[in-house]
Amino acid sequence: SQQGEEDPQALSIQEGENATMNCSYKTSINNLQWYRQNSGRGLVHLILIRSNEREKHSGRLRVTLDTSKKSSSLLITASRAADTASYFCATRNSGNTPLVFGKGTRLSVIA
Amino acid sequence: GAVVSQHPSRVICKSGTSVKIECRSLDFQATTMFWYRQFPKKSLMLMATSNEGSKATYEQGVEKDKFLINHASLTLSTLTVTSAHPEDSSFYICSNLHGNEQFFGPGTRLTVL
Repeated sequence: SQQGEEDPQALSIQEGENATMNCSYKTSINNLQWYRQNSGRGLVHLILIRSNEREKHSGRLRVTLDTSKKSSSLLITASRAADTASYFCATRNSGNTPLVFGKGTRLSVIA
Repeated sequence: GAVVSQHPSRVICKSGTSVKIECRSLDFQATTMFWYRQFPKKSLMLMATSNEGSKATYEQGVEKDKFLINHASLTLSTLTVTSAHPEDSSFYICSNLHGNEQFFGPGTRLTVL
């Protein structure tokens, strides 16, 4: 079953702008992860944030997690055309359960 | 991270035929693998959990007789789409689990004519 809901479903921005994508989920989680997928390709793991963490950074990526609101956001700063892809959040309930993916946000960065 | 391979990467078949997709865990033994399906412009949907040496656990709505999963060894899980139909055309992605980390294969694109 699908847990996460991404918002917006599609986002189009100019190169250099920041892109913010949001994800909401329904049940308690052990961790939340963000993935990127280029059209027709496999998944690329971006970042993992644990349930006891509130914010995490990796290069131009910034992820926040609000467990009280059951939501997370992914911020990509200074976007580039190469950031054009679909971005998915995925949650894990416990250590050995499979990741459950959100519906994703299709990001288009226009040069 | 762990490496997961899938074969084939792309397959086109006629309606009514069966297609087998292999998923290999290359650098560690995986007692558990997961199979996902992704329709165009949609997200990944978990189909089943493949357990080495035992029967797979299927998600609600996934027909176990249509999507046969075999996990006969600790490094190989196979998904066979039996009597494939055009609506089975999709991107199939496998994943293994190493500790608390999940690693994904590159996916197999199935097109049923």
